[in-house]
Amino acid sequence: DTGVSQDPRHKITKRGQNVTFRCDPISEHNRLYWYRQTLGQGPEFLTYFQNEAQLEKSRLLSDRFSAERPKGSFSTLEIQRTEQGDSAMYLCASSSLQVSGANVLTFGAGSRLTVL
Amino acid sequence: SQQGEEDPQALSIQEGENATMNCSYKTSINNLQWYRQNSGRGLVHLILIRSNEREKHSGRLRVTLDTSKKSSSLLITASRAADTASYFCAPSRWGKLVFGAGTILRVKS
Repeated sequence: DTGVSQDPRHKITKRGQNVTFRCDPISEHNRLYWYRQTLGQGPEFLTYFQNEAQLEKSRLLSDRFSAERPKGSFSTLEIQRTEQGDSAMYLCASSSLQVSGANVLTFGAGSRLTVL
Repeated sequence: SQQGEEDPQALSIQEGENATMNCSYKTSINNLQWYRQNSGRGLVHLILIRSNEREKHSGRLRVTLDTSKKSSSLLITASRAADTASYFCAPSRWGKLVFGAGTILRVKS
């Protein structure tokens, strides 16, 4: 297993277009997280899944954002009608929730979105 | 909120010195984690401290947690130039981690 993979690494799009990012977590991890990070800021929580169930979605997230995790394996994050403010690094992380409640996140390298 | 808030925002020290970063949060938590991010790279987990623990060590790292004050600190001893990075605390509550803006650490050689 090579860790958490994200694709594409870079995406440049025009305002109004739709974009989709894919995340392949570590295979034995049952939890998957999406974060967004802009320059000089910490990762901002977007949503997370346990297996195929989406447990929580940030209230800050507009309806233009949707995430899925079919079959509890890979996940996709789609942004519809992109805006310049969507330009950011989109980070995916996965974890295996322990009996103790501990959950250490393994992050991917991120997908950088630039909206022109 | 669950979000961690780190202090200071930036820290510049000489190689060999110790670096201390602080984190405050506002809700109850199950554990608190610290992560490091090198420029342009993904985050890497450093250490986790459970809510019933007060102190934890890992190599040159020492983490404390005071749940009554809702605060934590990360101490890096004998810092190295390679420790230059951003450091984030992440209070964890029912599996959800919320990160703060981080502390930028610069270690000068």
